[in-house]
Amino acid sequence: DAGVIQSPRHEVTEMGQEVTLRCKPISGHNSLFWYRQTMMRGLELLIYFNNNVPIDDSGMPEDRFSAKMPNASFSTLKIQPSEPRDSAVYFCASSSGLAGALDTGELFFGEGSRLTVL
Amino acid sequence: TQLLEQSPQFLSIQEGENLTVYCNSSSVFSSLQWYRQEPGEGPVLLVTVVTGGEVKKLKRLTFQFGDARKDSSLHITAAQPGDTGLYLCAGALWGTYKYIFGTGTRLKVLA
Repeated sequence: DAGVIQSPRHEVTEMGQEVTLRCKPISGHNSLFWYRQTMMRGLELLIYFNNNVPIDDSGMPEDRFSAKMPNASFSTLKIQPSEPRDSAVYFCASSSGLAGALDTGELFFGEGSRLTVL
Repeated sequence: TQLLEQSPQFLSIQEGENLTVYCNSSSVFSSLQWYRQEPGEGPVLLVTVVTGGEVKKLKRLTFQFGDARKDSSLHITAAQPGDTGLYLCAGALWGTYKYIFGTGTRLKVLA
């Protein structure tokens, strides 16, 4: 299996531009997560989907951020307009499990998309 | 608000030493996981603990889940340079798909 695939690996853009990050989860996984990682704040959960439906987007910083999952094999995270404080590594992860006592719910992460907003 | 606090944040030790990393919260989790992350890569799962008081061993690594399911520890015996990395605990909020990550412990083992 190819694992979770993210693109682009690196993105450098200017403030005000639109940024779209893409993720292909592992086939058969029914949960997908978007995280953001910075030195200051660590790994923050932005949003997660179950069976393509957004379940909790309380971690999305503000209206400039939006995420979609049109089908089981693809998700996007969009920032419009981007700002320098959005600079971070954005990770997508997928899981086949439910966070319950009888399920390991292992998260499989992609390699991340490093975003730099100038 | 950070739900999971890890300590220490940074740790630099000599090869062969032992160390313990702590993960604490005021929230109850259905399960708790430990991940290790290498530079330029995503975190990779080391272990999952699901029962209060559970202890799991993975070679030189020993993981424990607190009785109240609010905290966990990771103990490494005879650390090696290959253990260098960022260690993250992650708690699963009961009945949800929500995995919250700890603040992280950056470990460096010197040869």
